[in-house]
Amino acid sequence: AQSVAQPEDQVNVAEGNPLTVKCTYSVSGNPYLFWYVQYPNRGLQFLLKYITGDNLVKGSYGFEAEFNKSQTSFHLKKPSALVSDSALYFCAVRPLNSGNTPLVFGKGTRLSVIA
Amino acid sequence: GAGVSQSPSNKVTEKGKDVELRCDPISGHTALYWYRQSLGQGLEFLIYFQGNSAPDKSGLPSDRFSAERTGGSVSTLTIQRTQQEDSAVYLCASRPAAQQYGYTFGSGTRLTVV
Repeated sequence: AQSVAQPEDQVNVAEGNPLTVKCTYSVSGNPYLFWYVQYPNRGLQFLLKYITGDNLVKGSYGFEAEFNKSQTSFHLKKPSALVSDSALYFCAVRPLNSGNTPLVFGKGTRLSVIA
Repeated sequence: GAGVSQSPSNKVTEKGKDVELRCDPISGHTALYWYRQSLGQGLEFLIYFQGNSAPDKSGLPSDRFSAERTGGSVSTLTIQRTQQEDSAVYLCASRPAAQQYGYTFGSGTRLTVV
């Protein structure tokens, strides 16, 4: 069975500094990997995905994530954080070519960007 | 519609009452998923539909929970005899047939059982 670990419940970063939100996964075979963001009282919004190809994936709002197969990681990064990036971030995984198998989500990491 | 619509946005109910939560997916999205978001627990998968059928009901936490989907569109999640531990945000997501797309989520229904 697949699983996702987000080891940090909370990440604090100063505005303008780079940010990293960590994610490791476990899945049979090759993975689909996703990052979603949730703002207060809103549903989850898609940020980016990895399917195949280039290990560095670029997504919305200047975010990017790097797929590392040997470390089974898919950390979310941004070179310069904004206060408006403060939100709850979820990593998710499912096996490649698994039909409609549901995404499995991590428990989320709350990012706080301080001005 | 343009997005996934969920209703009601908030629901307060007394313990022991039944509740129905509604999800209206994006038109043409064949797959529909229900998740539950509890404080500090992340997103817990409940059930998904492909068309009107539900091949995976493994996430439903008890037989008090049921869901249906009619016409390959609107889905209803029903919780019978609600308990306080059912308090959570219930999120619905839909996806088109092509595998490479991620889900589009609704804004959720916040259920509070008092």
